[in-house]
Amino acid sequence: DTGVSQDPRHKITKRGQNVTFRCDPISEHNRLYWYRQTLGQGPEFLTYFQNEAQLEKSRLLSDRFSAERPKGSFSTLEIQRTEQGDSAMYLCASSRDSNYGYTFGSGTRLTVV
Amino acid sequence: KNEVEQSPQNLTAQEGEFITINCSYSVGISALHWLQQHPGGGIVSLFMLSSGKKKHGRLIATINIQEKHSSLHITASHPRDSAVYICAVSAPDKLIFGTGTRLQVFP
Repeated sequence: DTGVSQDPRHKITKRGQNVTFRCDPISEHNRLYWYRQTLGQGPEFLTYFQNEAQLEKSRLLSDRFSAERPKGSFSTLEIQRTEQGDSAMYLCASSRDSNYGYTFGSGTRLTVV
Repeated sequence: KNEVEQSPQNLTAQEGEFITINCSYSVGISALHWLQQHPGGGIVSLFMLSSGKKKHGRLIATINIQEKHSSLHITASHPRDSAVYICAVSAPDKLIFGTGTRLQVFP
């Protein structure tokens, strides 16, 4: 297993456009998490899945954000009508469950111009 | 006040020095994690602790559950240790992160 993969690594988009990011977790990991990190800050929780069920969403996740994990495998995070404030590193992590450690992807860096 | 506080925010050291990074938290946790982040974003898990002390190579992590405090120590620091070190707590179904400590080790 090659770990947690995120695609793309970098995305530059114009304000108002929609973007979609993908995360492929470690195959035997049931849990998948999305975090957002802005410059100089620690990551902030966005949402997490247990298999295909989205169990929790942060208040940070406005109506413009949606995440899915069909079939409990890969996940996508879509941002509609991007704003400059959405510019950040979007990190994905997976784990077996809360009693185990986390494996992080390399992140997708989004720049909204 | 953040639920997870780290100190110091920035740290510079000469190669070979002993380094300590501190983490305090204010929420109930099931575990505490120390993570390393290099420029470019990738995060690597160093330790997951629920009690006591763990050691891996030159890295040592300790936790005091009663005092809600953890420390990460690096012995015989090396320039390749330069990175951001992040403390995060499992509370319990997601991680809450500190803002990180930026460490630079000079030869």
